[in-house]
Amino acid sequence: DTGVSQDPRHKITKRGQNVTFRCDPISEHNRLYWYRQTLGQGPEFLTYFQNEAQLEKSRLLSDRFSAERPKGSFSTLEIQRTEQGDSAMYLCASSPGGTQYFGPGTRLTVL
Amino acid sequence: AQSVTQLGSHVSVSEGALVLLRCNYSSSVPPYLFWYVQYPNQGLQLLLKYTTGATLVKGINGFEAEFKKSETSFHLTKPSAHMSDAAEYFCAVSEAAGNKLTFGGGTRVLVKP
Repeated sequence: DTGVSQDPRHKITKRGQNVTFRCDPISEHNRLYWYRQTLGQGPEFLTYFQNEAQLEKSRLLSDRFSAERPKGSFSTLEIQRTEQGDSAMYLCASSPGGTQYFGPGTRLTVL
Repeated sequence: AQSVTQLGSHVSVSEGALVLLRCNYSSSVPPYLFWYVQYPNQGLQLLLKYTTGATLVKGINGFEAEFKKSETSFHLTKPSAHMSDAAEYFCAVSEAAGNKLTFGGGTRVLVKP
């Protein structure tokens, strides 16, 4: 068990560019979650998958955001036309159906 | 809708003193409650959780929490603070096992020697 991994750990981009983050869950965890954490705040739920099905999306997930989990294993989160307000830590978690185990996060800075 | 309120965004304690972090929740269904800890530039690590059964829950690193339904609270305590306890602590609630977590704003703990 190597834990949840996320790539990249840090991303700096210019406003208007597209970015994509990857999350590899703990093996055999069928649920995968994305959260966003801004400085000084608690994480906020974005979306989650059970296997390849996206079961819930937060209204925080605007049409510029899209998440996929095509084969029920790793997941990607894409942000199109980034804005400065997208600067945050993006956290991924996985679960076998109970406790969620978090990855180290991807810190996004939009200049 | 669920919500979590953590009283005190910053708490300062002396090494060896009691640590008490307050968490109150709102939920329309019996809640699942969690405490996570976050060290700088790291993800969240589970300290303990309450699902059903015994209302006093023991976790890692000497922490424990008590679920009080009448007070809608799930306060976190540790009898004796250690320097390594300096971190940010988050209380969270969910409606069922595996459902999304709703987090509080967090409490940053500073431990003074």
